[in-house]
Amino acid sequence: SQQGEEDPQALSIQEGENATMNCSYKTSINNLQWYRQNSGRGLVHLILIRSNEREKHSGRLRVTLDTSKKSSSLLITASRAADTASYFCATVPDSNYQLIWGAGTKLIIKP
Amino acid sequence: GAGVSQTPSNKVTEKGKYVELRCDPISGHTALYWYRQSLGQGPEFLIYFQGTGAADDSGLPNDRFFAVRPEGSVSTLKIQRTERGDSAVYLCASSLIGGANTEAFFGQGTRLTVV
Repeated sequence: SQQGEEDPQALSIQEGENATMNCSYKTSINNLQWYRQNSGRGLVHLILIRSNEREKHSGRLRVTLDTSKKSSSLLITASRAADTASYFCATVPDSNYQLIWGAGTKLIIKP
Repeated sequence: GAGVSQTPSNKVTEKGKYVELRCDPISGHTALYWYRQSLGQGPEFLIYFQGTGAADDSGLPNDRFFAVRPEGSVSTLKIQRTERGDSAVYLCASSLIGGANTEAFFGQGTRLTVV
């Protein structure tokens, strides 16, 4: 079953703009992870944020986590055409190890 | 190896046939996961191995699906009497020790098409 829901389902912006994607989930979690997927194949881990963390940065990526609202956001700053991909959030519930996935946000960066 | 390797990358089979999908995890990774992803959806958990044993196979949809990891490294996902609904991308991932806070590394997947 899917726990996360990404919002929006699809996002199209101009190169150079910032892209923000949101994820909501249902149960309490140990951590939340964001992944990127190109062309429906391999998934690449972007960032992991633990339940006791509120914000994390990695290069042009900024992730926030609000456990009271059961939501997270992924911000990509100064987007590039190469950022075009689908982005998924995945949660690891308490006392578990499975990644439970949302349906993803399809991001298109227009040159 | 350098990354998780899955073979074949594409497999077309006829309804009712048996298929095997192979996953070579990153060397030294004890945890291995199989997921299935349908078009436009996120991955769906199938099974998790810790070493040679299946720690959790609750995601396998029915008894036509079976997976092994006899030596704690390579894993094979086996599907008997394939059905058109089995068509999907089957993803394998491995992680160093498993558990909640470990990063999973994914292969490129096997696209299975049942005709």
